[in-house]
Amino acid sequence: EAGVTQFPSHSVIEKGQTVTLRCDPISGHDNLYWYRRVMGKEIKFLLHFVKESKQDESGMPNNRFLAERTGGTYSTLKVQPAELEDSGVYFCASSQAGTRNSPLHFGNGTRLTVT
Amino acid sequence: AQSVTQPDIHITVSEGASLELRCNYSYGATPYLFWYVQSPGQGLQLLLKYFSGDTLVQGIKGFEAEFKRSQSSFNLRKPSVHWSDAAEYFCASPFNDYKLSFGAGTTVTVRA
Repeated sequence: EAGVTQFPSHSVIEKGQTVTLRCDPISGHDNLYWYRRVMGKEIKFLLHFVKESKQDESGMPNNRFLAERTGGTYSTLKVQPAELEDSGVYFCASSQAGTRNSPLHFGNGTRLTVT
Repeated sequence: AQSVTQPDIHITVSEGASLELRCNYSYGATPYLFWYVQSPGQGLQLLLKYFSGDTLVQGIKGFEAEFKRSQSSFNLRKPSVHWSDAAEYFCASPFNDYKLSFGAGTTVTVRA
C-alpha cells in the first residue's frame, strides 16, 4: 500500500507570505493528524481529523494556521501570513483507529523555512 | 496524561557495538509506550510498542525494549548496531486516545 505522502518536501518562503502544505493519507484511514517539530524542540501535536471533521485542534499555534480536509481524503495546512517562528518540519500521519489501537503512519514531512 | 523524557540528546556508538537508548515516563496507571525512528530524509517509523503483558517487547530491525515499572523506564536496545541504524529515535506515549506526546529525541551516530 502507498504510504502517507506529503508535499512539498521543502519550502522556503519569506516572512509574510503564504504557504500551503498538503498531505495524502493512506487510503481508508479516517484519522489524519498534523504534527510539527520546531528546531531543537519536541514533535508537537497540531490537530486531528476524523474524516472531514476536526476532532481536536488544541495544538494549533494561532489563527494564522488553517487546516482543512475536504471530502475526508487529503488535507491541507495553510500558514498565512508566515512568521519566522513557523520554521520547522511539519509531519502528517494517518491511522485506521485511535493511537492505542493502531499505529500512526507518518509521512516524510515538509521542511518549512521562513526567512 | 502521560509524558516521556529522553535524557540523552546524542549518542555515538561503534558499528557492531550494543546500543541502549533511555526513555522515562510519568504516569500512574499502565502506560502505552512507543519507540519511533526517523532515518535521514524519511518519516517517522514505528519500531515497537508496549501496551501490556510481557515487559520485553520485540520490534523491527532487531530492536527490543523493556518496560520497567519500578524505574519508570522503557529503554530501547539493540545488541549489535549497523551503520544503517544512524538515525534519530523518539520515545512516545499517548496523551489521550488520539494524541501522541513525544520525547525530545536521541540522535544516534554510528562510527566505523
